[in-house]
Amino acid sequence: GQQLNQSPQSMFIQEGEDVSMNCTSSSIFNTWLWYKQDPGEGPVLLIALYKAGELTSNGRLTAQFGITRKDSFLNISASIPSDVGIYFCAGGYTGTASKLTFGTGTRLQVTL
Amino acid sequence: DVKVTQSSRYLVKRTGEKVFLECVQDMDHENMFWYRQDPGLGLRLIYFSYDVKMKEKGDIPEGYSVSREKKERFSLILESASTNQTSMYLCASSWAGYLTDTQYFGPGTRLTVL
Repeated sequence: GQQLNQSPQSMFIQEGEDVSMNCTSSSIFNTWLWYKQDPGEGPVLLIALYKAGELTSNGRLTAQFGITRKDSFLNISASIPSDVGIYFCAGGYTGTASKLTFGTGTRLQVTL
Repeated sequence: DVKVTQSSRYLVKRTGEKVFLECVQDMDHENMFWYRQDPGLGLRLIYFSYDVKMKEKGDIPEGYSVSREKKERFSLILESASTNQTSMYLCASSWAGYLTDTQYFGPGTRLTVL
């Protein structure tokens, strides 16, 4: 199946820094989701976006649904060590009968 | 809060054994999904179900079957486990209708086939 292009693949940042990652697709979606996965655990939903241009925050996390409906962005402000993990984007479209297309993941590592 | 639970966190089986992985959700979701996750390959959809007793093949159904006898429970079955089925298995569920695409995941089952 198709996978979304997510970048960067990995990031090594210092505590307190801001983080940006993005996800792009060749096709449009009407839902964008961002998940975080800790080692050995299942993905946990962070933010859900349902409208082009929508900007939604969850604590230090902010995500945006791109105007073209082919991309999405996630920002983490003032990173802390517990932000470590893999961040996945996922796109959904009504025509795909509830199935999601997942990004390849961004591995985030935070140093003190 | 939505809760999706999986019967085992870790499982070790031998080649040729029949393996059952169970998933239960407590939010009355219509849709349920089984994925496997492997390094470098991301999440791949094995099977999904829109309703009780209904199932649809995903991208990699070979070697797997599923069962959904009750709305809250979705089982993944490996009829004859093989070493290439060693993987992390993730179950997810979502509502039907509005917001169908928001899937909620269980904690995963790491299966090792020897």
